Amino acid sequence: DSGVTQTPKHLITATGQRVTLRCSPRSGDLSVYWYQQSLDQGLQFLIQYYNGEERAKGNILERFSAQQFPDLHSELNLSSLELGDSALYFCASSVDDRRNTEAFFGQGTRLTVV
Amino acid sequence: AQSVAQPEDQVNVAEGNPLTVKCTYSVSGNPYLFWYVQYPNRGLQFLLKYITGDNLVKGSYGFEAEFNKSQTSFHLKKPSALVSDSALFFCSVRYSSGTYKYIFGTGTRLKVLA
Repeated sequence: DSGVTQTPKHLITATGQRVTLRCSPRSGDLSVYWYQQSLDQGLQFLIQYYNGEERAKGNILERFSAQQFPDLHSELNLSSLELGDSALYFCASSVDDRRNTEAFFGQGTRLTVV
Repeated sequence: AQSVAQPEDQVNVAEGNPLTVKCTYSVSGNPYLFWYVQYPNRGLQFLLKYITGDNLVKGSYGFEAEFNKSQTSFHLKKPSALVSDSALFFCSVRYSSGTYKYIFGTGTRLKVLA
């Protein structure tokens, strides 16, 4: 158990809908990262937050947004869902993003858009 | 364009033999380099990272990686492979382009044969 909790584990929804994925980082970790893993596009970095502020941004679609709350949990919002958004979404956390910190991953949320 | 390449989709190695999983990159500046592993039906795990200093970085499960600046490579190695090392390995790079960005290679499946 990495200490990073993602909910829900599985999600099935229809095209055009909106969903929210939740990530609770390890206790004491200030950084949260979101990734998408799909068969078509492989593993992609979406976005990173550090102590509530956006730190890094990857290939995140405009239909997607994220935030990190004061209690450091993070949510990834996916809207106007398309079939191609079906993927495994991972969250990871680390103390910070400096030299000697390791990132720990949650088990992921598997999103299926039908 | 910034890129990370893992030239081998699959690497097969006999148990007890040394293994190498290759990664080369093309990014500007001084990137951070990472290796992650994904075991079957499990989430991602961080293995190791290079930021600066000693070119040989030691990580989890006996893996190590060698940074070679002139060849822009960051190959993952292990002196003696175990069947339990069989997994999917991802190389990743963090670089700065106004803000930080992370990109991943396409992954290399390692199969260790008994």
